[in-house]
Parts: sequence; C-alpha cells; structure tokens
Amino acid sequence: TQLLEQSPQFLSIQEGENLTVYCNSSSVFSSLQWYRQEPGEGPVLLVTVVTGGEVKKLKRLTFQFGDARKDSSLHITAAQPGDTGLYLCAAPSGGSNYKLTFGKGTLLTVNP
Amino acid sequence: EAGVAQSPRYKIIEKRQSVAFWCNPISGHATLYWYQQILGQGPKLLIQFQNNGVVDDSQLPKDRFSAERLKGVDSTLKIQPAKLEDSAVYLCASSLAGGGYTEAFFGQGTRLTVV
Repeated sequence: TQLLEQSPQFLSIQEGENLTVYCNSSSVFSSLQWYRQEPGEGPVLLVTVVTGGEVKKLKRLTFQFGDARKDSSLHITAAQPGDTGLYLCAAPSGGSNYKLTFGKGTLLTVNP
Repeated sequence: EAGVAQSPRYKIIEKRQSVAFWCNPISGHATLYWYQQILGQGPKLLIQFQNNGVVDDSQLPKDRFSAERLKGVDSTLKIQPAKLEDSAVYLCASSLAGGGYTEAFFGQGTRLTVV
C-alpha cells in the first residue's frame, strides 16, 4: 500500500509569515492532489499536479511536484487567518491506480 | 450544481447499537467513496464504488461494516454493532471517474459518537 507522509503534522504561525508543507512517498505517483479541509466541512480540491517538476500557483499558494514524482510541496506566502485548515495530499494507489488515498494532513493555524 | 448530500450530520449511539448513513452523490458521478476520518487525521478510504460495483473495500471492517450503492446512485453505509473506536466523521465523496486525475467532491460528513 502506497503511504503518503505529510510534514509537519501541526504548524502554528503568525499572519504574514511564509510556510511550506510537504508530502512524501517512496512510490512514484502518476498524479497528486492537494485538498484543504476547514472545520466541519469536507475536503476541497486546491490543485492536481501531473508532470514531474511541475509548479502551479493559486494566488499566494505555490505547489510543486518533485522531478521524480515521489514528493510534493505546498508553499504559502504571507499567510492569512483564512488559510487556517487541514492540508491534505492525495494520490491514486493500489494495483489498479484507481483508488484515492490521503495522507494524514498538516493542520495549519494562522494567528492574527 | 448541487453538491454531495449526506445525512444525518450528527449521530450519537451506544456501543453495540447499529447506525446507518446515507449519501446522495453529484448527479452523473460514476465513482462514490466512503471515508472514515478520525479527529486530527486524514480520511481513510473504507470503500469505493464505480457505478454500483465495488472497486475497493480492502479497509472496510466487513464483520461490522457494510455498504451498498443502489442503481449506481445513492449509497448507504451501515455499522452493526458499533464500537467505541468507530467514533469518527464519515465522509462521502463522488467524482466523474476514479483515481487522481479527477476532482473528488466531498459532503459535509456525518459525525458519529459512540458512547
């Protein structure tokens, strides 16, 4: 079973700071997704990366897929309290490459 | 476009009782997932349907959990009998297709507390 390891598990920062969270595996991914989950809600897709070395930007969020497609990072510039939430990476796993498996997530708190 | 609907939002039961959760996916989505999310952790896939067939149920505790998807649309997840460790949020999601290329849309979940 492909294991997605996310770090750090918890992160508490002040508004305006920058941060990076990571998603790693020993396996090669065909694709990887990042979701954000707010309290009491289901996860919502932020981005899907497919190509090794790919960089995608979503306003203050920058997503990078490793060249070998085994790891990914999410960088947030000038974090705001609205960025608070659980950041989850997910990838297809299993022999059929068909089921969607999640990491345990990084719980981010941005203090005003 | 209506999202994924789940009910109930909250449920409190005693251990050894049974409980059922309902999910109505987004219209036209062939793939339906049930995840279990324990507080502070990522979602754990319990079962995945493609239309009304099971794609994966390797992490479903089949001695107490069961799920069905009638006519490839709505789905129910049942726990019988419940244990204390089943306390979690049960998330239903749907997507046009399986895997990691298509977006999975999640419902708000059902928070189950077993006492």
